[in-house]
Amino acid sequence: DADVTQTPRNRITKTGKRIMLECSQTKGHDRMYWYRQDPGLGLQLIYYSFDVKDINKGEISDGYSVSRQAQAKFSLSLESAIPNQTALYFCATSWRDTGELFFGEGSRLTVL
Amino acid sequence: SQQGEEDPQALSIQEGENATMNCSYKTSINNLQWYRQNSGRGLVHLILIRSNEREKHSGRLRVTLDTSKKSSSLLITASRAADTASYFCATRMASGTYKYIFGTGTRLKVLA
Repeated sequence: DADVTQTPRNRITKTGKRIMLECSQTKGHDRMYWYRQDPGLGLQLIYYSFDVKDINKGEISDGYSVSRQAQAKFSLSLESAIPNQTALYFCATSWRDTGELFFGEGSRLTVL
Repeated sequence: SQQGEEDPQALSIQEGENATMNCSYKTSINNLQWYRQNSGRGLVHLILIRSNEREKHSGRLRVTLDTSKKSSSLLITASRAADTASYFCATRMASGTYKYIFGTGTRLKVLA
Protein backbone atom coordinates (compact mmCIF):
# COMPACT_ATOMS: atom_id res chain seq x y z
CA ASP A 1 0.00 0.00 0.00
CA ALA A 2 1.13 3.55 -0.73
CA ASP A 3 2.49 5.63 2.15
CA VAL A 4 0.64 8.74 0.95
CA THR A 5 -2.82 8.02 -0.47
CA GLN A 6 -4.97 10.50 -2.31
CA THR A 7 -8.64 10.08 -3.10
CA PRO A 8 -10.21 10.41 -5.57
CA ARG A 9 -7.55 9.88 -8.24
CA ASN A 10 -9.74 11.40 -10.92
CA ARG A 11 -12.78 13.62 -10.64
CA ILE A 12 -14.88 15.49 -13.17
CA THR A 13 -17.27 18.05 -11.78
CA LYS A 14 -19.25 21.10 -12.81
CA THR A 15 -18.75 24.75 -12.07
CA GLY A 16 -20.14 25.74 -8.68
CA LYS A 17 -19.94 22.30 -7.10
CA ARG A 18 -18.16 21.67 -3.81
CA ILE A 19 -15.27 19.25 -4.07
CA MET A 20 -13.12 17.61 -1.41
CA LEU A 21 -9.81 15.92 -2.10
CA GLU A 22 -8.52 13.72 0.68
CA CYS A 23 -5.04 12.72 1.69
CA SER A 24 -3.98 10.18 4.26
CA GLN A 25 -0.50 9.02 5.20
CA THR A 26 0.97 6.10 7.07
CA LYS A 27 4.48 7.55 7.37
CA GLY A 28 3.86 9.17 10.76
CA HIS A 29 5.01 12.52 9.41
CA ASP A 30 3.97 15.72 11.12
CA ARG A 31 3.99 18.02 8.09
CA MET A 32 1.56 17.85 5.20
CA TYR A 33 1.21 19.94 2.04
CA TRP A 34 -1.16 20.47 -0.87
CA TYR A 35 0.31 21.44 -4.24
CA ARG A 36 -1.29 22.17 -7.56
CA GLN A 37 0.38 21.35 -10.86
CA ASP A 38 -0.50 23.03 -14.14
CA PRO A 39 1.32 22.28 -17.39
CA GLY A 40 4.40 24.47 -17.75
CA LEU A 41 4.01 26.07 -14.32
CA GLY A 42 5.53 23.43 -12.10
CA LEU A 43 4.06 22.94 -8.64
CA GLN A 44 2.46 25.72 -6.66
CA LEU A 45 1.87 25.49 -2.92
CA ILE A 46 -1.76 25.87 -1.86
CA TYR A 47 -1.68 25.15 1.89
CA TYR A 48 0.65 23.51 4.35
CA SER A 49 0.29 22.22 7.88
CA PHE A 50 3.10 21.59 10.36
CA ASP A 51 0.81 19.86 12.84
CA VAL A 52 -2.90 19.47 13.52
CA LYS A 53 -3.24 22.97 14.96
CA ASP A 54 -0.91 24.75 12.55
CA ILE A 55 -2.26 25.51 9.07
CA ASN A 56 -0.77 28.07 6.73
CA LYS A 57 -1.62 29.56 3.37
CA GLY A 58 0.69 28.97 0.47
CA GLU A 59 1.15 30.88 -2.77
CA ILE A 60 -2.29 30.26 -4.25
CA SER A 61 -4.80 29.65 -1.42
CA ASP A 62 -7.67 31.76 -2.80
CA GLY A 63 -10.66 29.56 -3.62
CA TYR A 64 -9.36 26.69 -1.48
CA SER A 65 -9.68 25.62 2.14
CA VAL A 66 -8.13 22.78 4.11
CA SER A 67 -8.77 20.71 7.18
CA ARG A 68 -6.23 18.71 9.18
CA GLN A 69 -8.52 16.19 10.83
CA ALA A 70 -5.69 14.20 12.38
CA GLN A 71 -1.95 13.97 12.04
CA ALA A 72 -2.46 11.45 9.25
CA LYS A 73 -5.23 13.23 7.35
CA PHE A 74 -5.23 16.49 5.41
CA SER A 75 -8.10 17.37 3.09
CA LEU A 76 -8.41 20.09 0.47
CA SER A 77 -11.78 21.64 -0.39
CA LEU A 78 -12.97 23.73 -3.28
CA GLU A 79 -16.13 25.37 -1.98
CA SER A 80 -17.37 26.42 -5.42
CA ALA A 81 -15.28 24.93 -8.19
CA ILE A 82 -14.42 26.97 -11.27
CA PRO A 83 -12.87 25.83 -14.57
CA ASN A 84 -9.45 27.40 -13.90
CA GLN A 85 -9.10 25.07 -10.92
CA THR A 86 -8.77 22.21 -13.38
CA ALA A 87 -5.36 20.79 -12.52
CA LEU A 88 -3.42 17.91 -11.01
CA TYR A 89 -3.34 18.15 -7.20
CA PHE A 90 -0.66 16.57 -5.05
CA CYS A 91 -0.50 15.91 -1.36
CA ALA A 92 2.94 15.61 0.20
CA THR A 93 4.35 14.90 3.65
CA SER A 94 7.63 15.47 5.45
CA TRP A 95 9.08 14.81 8.89
CA ARG A 96 10.04 17.89 10.88
CA ASP A 97 12.73 19.75 9.00
CA THR A 98 14.48 16.76 7.43
CA GLY A 99 13.88 18.06 3.93
CA GLU A 100 12.55 15.21 1.85
CA LEU A 101 8.97 15.44 0.66
CA PHE A 102 6.96 12.27 -0.01
CA PHE A 103 4.23 12.66 -2.61
CA GLY A 104 0.97 10.92 -3.28
CA GLU A 105 0.08 9.83 -6.81
CA GLY A 106 -2.05 12.88 -7.45
CA SER A 107 -5.73 13.73 -7.93
CA ARG A 108 -6.68 14.91 -11.39
CA LEU A 109 -9.58 17.36 -11.18
CA THR A 110 -11.53 18.61 -14.17
CA VAL A 111 -14.06 21.40 -13.69
CA LEU A 112 -16.47 21.83 -16.59
CA SER B 1 5.78 33.56 -8.35
CA GLN B 2 8.07 30.59 -8.78
CA GLN B 3 11.23 30.55 -6.72
CA GLY B 4 13.08 28.26 -9.10
CA GLU B 5 13.41 28.22 -12.84
CA GLU B 6 14.82 25.20 -14.62
CA ASP B 7 16.75 25.35 -17.84
CA PRO B 8 16.32 23.97 -20.42
CA GLN B 9 12.57 23.42 -20.43
CA ALA B 10 13.03 20.30 -22.53
CA LEU B 11 16.02 18.12 -23.37
CA SER B 12 16.33 15.18 -25.72
CA ILE B 13 19.45 12.98 -25.72
CA GLN B 14 20.62 9.55 -26.80
CA GLU B 15 20.95 6.71 -24.33
CA GLY B 16 24.42 6.68 -22.82
CA GLU B 17 24.90 10.43 -23.07
CA ASN B 18 25.01 12.74 -20.06
CA ALA B 19 22.11 15.06 -19.27
CA THR B 20 22.59 18.39 -17.53
CA MET B 21 19.80 20.58 -16.28
CA ASN B 22 20.02 23.81 -14.35
CA CYS B 23 17.99 25.56 -11.69
CA SER B 24 18.12 29.22 -10.74
CA TYR B 25 16.42 30.70 -7.72
CA LYS B 26 15.81 34.15 -6.31
CA THR B 27 16.34 34.26 -2.55
CA SER B 28 18.78 32.78 -0.05
CA ILE B 29 18.10 29.14 0.65
CA ASN B 30 18.61 26.59 3.41
CA ASN B 31 18.70 23.68 0.99
CA LEU B 32 17.85 22.70 -2.57
CA GLN B 33 16.38 19.41 -3.68
CA TRP B 34 15.84 17.68 -6.98
CA TYR B 35 12.79 15.56 -7.74
CA ARG B 36 11.79 13.35 -10.62
CA GLN B 37 8.28 12.95 -11.99
CA ASN B 38 7.25 10.25 -14.41
CA SER B 39 4.38 11.32 -16.62
CA GLY B 40 1.35 12.21 -14.51
CA ARG B 41 2.72 10.46 -11.42
CA GLY B 42 3.81 11.71 -8.02
CA LEU B 43 7.22 13.28 -7.55
CA VAL B 44 10.09 11.22 -6.19
CA HIS B 45 12.94 12.73 -4.20
CA LEU B 46 16.38 12.32 -5.78
CA ILE B 47 18.89 14.32 -3.79
CA LEU B 48 19.21 17.20 -1.32
CA ILE B 49 22.10 19.64 -1.12
CA ARG B 50 22.47 22.07 1.75
CA SER B 51 23.49 25.70 1.35
CA ASN B 52 26.94 25.02 2.82
CA GLU B 53 27.63 22.21 0.35
CA ARG B 54 28.97 22.70 -3.16
CA GLU B 55 28.66 19.24 -4.69
CA LYS B 56 26.92 16.00 -3.93
CA HIS B 57 26.77 12.59 -5.62
CA SER B 58 24.24 9.80 -5.57
CA GLY B 59 24.78 6.93 -7.98
CA ARG B 60 24.68 8.41 -11.50
CA LEU B 61 23.53 11.79 -10.17
CA ARG B 62 25.78 14.72 -9.47
CA VAL B 63 24.40 17.96 -8.07
CA THR B 64 26.28 21.22 -7.72
CA LEU B 65 25.23 24.36 -5.90
CA ASP B 66 26.59 27.88 -6.41
CA THR B 67 25.01 30.13 -3.81
CA SER B 68 26.78 33.22 -5.16
CA LYS B 69 25.01 32.73 -8.49
CA LYS B 70 21.86 31.31 -6.89
CA SER B 71 21.98 28.31 -9.16
CA SER B 72 22.23 24.54 -9.11
CA SER B 73 22.82 21.89 -11.72
CA LEU B 74 21.82 18.25 -11.93
CA LEU B 75 23.96 15.93 -14.03
CA ILE B 76 22.74 12.46 -14.93
CA THR B 77 25.58 10.39 -16.32
CA ALA B 78 25.23 7.50 -18.77
CA SER B 79 21.52 8.16 -19.21
CA ARG B 80 19.03 5.35 -19.79
CA ALA B 81 15.61 5.29 -21.40
CA ALA B 82 14.17 4.83 -17.91
CA ASP B 83 15.51 8.29 -16.98
CA THR B 84 12.88 9.83 -19.25
CA ALA B 85 10.87 12.06 -16.92
CA SER B 86 10.45 15.63 -15.75
CA TYR B 87 12.94 16.92 -13.23
CA PHE B 88 12.17 19.67 -10.73
CA CYS B 89 14.26 21.63 -8.29
CA ALA B 90 12.73 22.68 -4.99
CA THR B 91 14.16 25.25 -2.63
CA ARG B 92 13.66 25.86 1.06
CA MET B 93 14.24 29.46 1.90
CA ALA B 94 16.81 30.36 4.51
CA SER B 95 14.48 32.45 6.64
CA GLY B 96 10.83 32.77 7.34
CA THR B 97 8.52 29.86 6.78
CA TYR B 98 9.87 26.39 6.23
CA LYS B 99 8.09 25.56 3.01
CA TYR B 100 9.40 24.26 -0.29
CA ILE B 101 8.99 26.13 -3.56
CA PHE B 102 9.26 24.24 -6.83
CA GLY B 103 10.61 25.31 -10.17
CA THR B 104 8.96 24.82 -13.54
CA GLY B 105 10.78 21.61 -14.45
CA THR B 106 12.90 20.19 -17.25
CA ARG B 107 11.37 17.48 -19.45
CA LEU B 108 14.05 14.94 -20.28
CA LYS B 109 13.64 12.41 -23.05
CA VAL B 110 16.26 9.70 -23.44
CA LEU B 111 16.14 7.97 -26.79
CA ALA B 112 17.05 4.29 -26.96
